[in-house]
Amino acid sequence: DIQMTQSPSSLSTFVGDRVTITCQANQDISNDLNWYQQKPGKAPKLLIYDASNLETGVPSRFSGSGSGTDFTFTINSLQPEDIATYYCQQYENLPLTFGGGTKVEIK
Amino acid sequence: QLQLQESGPGLVKPSETLSLTCSVSGGSISSRSYYWGWIRQPPGKGLEWIGSIYYRGSTYHNPSLKSRVSISVDTSKNQFSLKLNSVTAADTAVYYCARHPSIAVLSRFDPWGQGTLVTVSS
Repeated sequence: DIQMTQSPSSLSTFVGDRVTITCQANQDISNDLNWYQQKPGKAPKLLIYDASNLETGVPSRFSGSGSGTDFTFTINSLQPEDIATYYCQQYENLPLTFGGGTKVEIK
Repeated sequence: QLQLQESGPGLVKPSETLSLTCSVSGGSISSRSYYWGWIRQPPGKGLEWIGSIYYRGSTYHNPSLKSRVSISVDTSKNQFSLKLNSVTAADTAVYYCARHPSIAVLSRFDPWGQGTLVTVSS
């Protein structure tokens, strides 16, 4: 199985700050990576696919980059509605696997 | 707008079979363009892919669940279903159904159902 390691597991910062989350795969997954947002009590929502493509309707303050084994998810100018847990997911190989999640909170 | 809705018992006894159905509305499950999947999330924990199915019946599942998983599709009802047998407390989770917006199972999930909590307890 491909293991996805996200860091940090949680972070707390201010409204307006830039947030950066990393996801590392234990083998090359090209750009076969997606990012999801999960708000408390809700289902995950796709934000970024193929490592860097913004899903339709998702605000442009969200972005993704990377390829191979190292990936980055960024929120430019954190907003109160961005409070959530964020997950990466690889689809290079089966089984499909997710990172452990990063919980984003506001100070 | 495509919507998915999970349904099934919220409480299952240990060693019994968990059975859930995902009803699809706003689109056809028989579309040649999509796979349909199940994902679960134990309380307070991360996401685990269970398996996925194509409308013609081709299935893939997570080997971690060994042979306990069965996924089927009913095109006449626009539904697909999950059965997980010999459940234990470790199978307690919120179960989500979701669409792969691709003809390949190696892809993303979008959209997701709202999820349903299944508790395994006597």
